[in-house]
Amino acid sequence: DIQMTQSPSSLSASVGDRVTITCRASQNIDSYLNWYQQKPGKAPKLLIFAASSLQSGVPSRFSGSGSGTDFTLIITSLQAEDFATYYCQESYSNPPYSFGQGTRVEMK
Amino acid sequence: QVQLVQSGAEVKKPGSSVKVSCKASRGAFSTYAIHWVRQAPGQGLEWVGGIIPLFGKTNYAQKFQGRVTTTADESATTGYLELSNLKSDDTAVYFCARVGIELPVVGQFDPWGQGTLVIVSS
Repeated sequence: DIQMTQSPSSLSASVGDRVTITCRASQNIDSYLNWYQQKPGKAPKLLIFAASSLQSGVPSRFSGSGSGTDFTLIITSLQAEDFATYYCQESYSNPPYSFGQGTRVEMK
Repeated sequence: QVQLVQSGAEVKKPGSSVKVSCKASRGAFSTYAIHWVRQAPGQGLEWVGGIIPLFGKTNYAQKFQGRVTTTADESATTGYLELSNLKSDDTAVYFCARVGIELPVVGQFDPWGQGTLVIVSS
């Protein structure tokens, strides 16, 4: 199975900061990479699909990039409601599916 | 907009089985797959398995092979996850999610059900 590795595992940031989260696949997955946001006690929410396509209704401060094995999620100006855990997920194998271990974004 | 509504929390004994349901309200059912993802307390997301109701095709994560069954009732627009021979480390929240199967297939999970807590304890 494909292994997904996110970094960092956690980060501290302030409102207005630019936040960057990276995700690396153990093999080429083209652009079959999706990003989710999860808040405590809630289901994950799709943010970005196909590496760079913004899901309908998601604020434009979220963006994704990358292809092959290296991917990035950027939040250009962190808002209070963005403090959450973020997961990448590969859908190249379709299925099985693998998730990254998550990146927790905490308030500084 | 489609919603996925899951059944309520379960408490089970080790060695028993659990069956969780996921009902799709509104929207198409047959042109999507229903997949299941679990999250142990304080841990990340783990794909369990899924089904394409239109074809009855199932896929399971290797670690659950032989213990997991996914089914679907198209007339009821409901998917099911059954996990047998439960162990304490199966304690987790189990989520269902919809995945499109029409070309081009991207494989994103959207939407998700609200989650069902399964506790395995003697």
